[in-house]
Amino acid sequence: EVQLVESGGGLVQPGGSLRLSCAASGFTFSSYWIHWVRQAPGKGLVWVSHINSDGSSTSYADSVKGRFTISRDNAKNTLYLQMSSVGAEDTAVYYCARGLSRWFGSLVGMDVWGQGTTVTVSS
Amino acid sequence: EIVLTQSPGTLSLSPGERATLSCRASQSVSSSNLAWYQQKPGQAPRLLIFGASSRATGIPDRFSGSGSGSDFTLTISRLEPEDYAVYYCQQLGSSPNSFGQGTKVEIK
Repeated sequence: EVQLVESGGGLVQPGGSLRLSCAASGFTFSSYWIHWVRQAPGKGLVWVSHINSDGSSTSYADSVKGRFTISRDNAKNTLYLQMSSVGAEDTAVYYCARGLSRWFGSLVGMDVWGQGTTVTVSS
Repeated sequence: EIVLTQSPGTLSLSPGERATLSCRASQSVSSSNLAWYQQKPGQAPRLLIFGASSRATGIPDRFSGSGSGSDFTLTISRLEPEDYAVYYCQQLGSSPNSFGQGTKVEIK
């Protein structure tokens, strides 16, 4: 079964750090771009970051640039999101999602999603 | 940054009716990079449409997508009870890969 499972969420104090993980199974992890998407309570989806298949290229939303770092370990089939200097605005459910590519590698969607892990920033 | 604006914010329709959801981009988006998702409460999003008009695996044919440039549409031809949810469009052609704010389809 193709699956993504996030972990590492929890309660963190403002200004603190947290590392989220996303374990992949059932597909060739090293062949896919992977994204992080978050959703604050009662709000819409917000794209956070993505990383290409071999980890050599990354991109971030302006709201997290310089504070969050996406990385991957293809040997362990695992994606990471290192979060630092967190604030209340980072409180959300964080999803990892597999990038779907078509037509000579163009990114066309996110076809497999994890169940999400909840991050709460509070003192 | 490309801003996606979805309308209406909420659509109140009865089962069997046709739903038409709009997604307008602040600048032109390649059709190949426009996707639609469905999200139900407490669940992760599900990919419905990619490439503006291609249905994802397992998506019923009552869902269809169309459009080009800066105007895109998701149509549900006849609403089923399981279709009441929030729908998001997303562009993946340029970074950040922005989402629209969502359209909620509710039972009238």
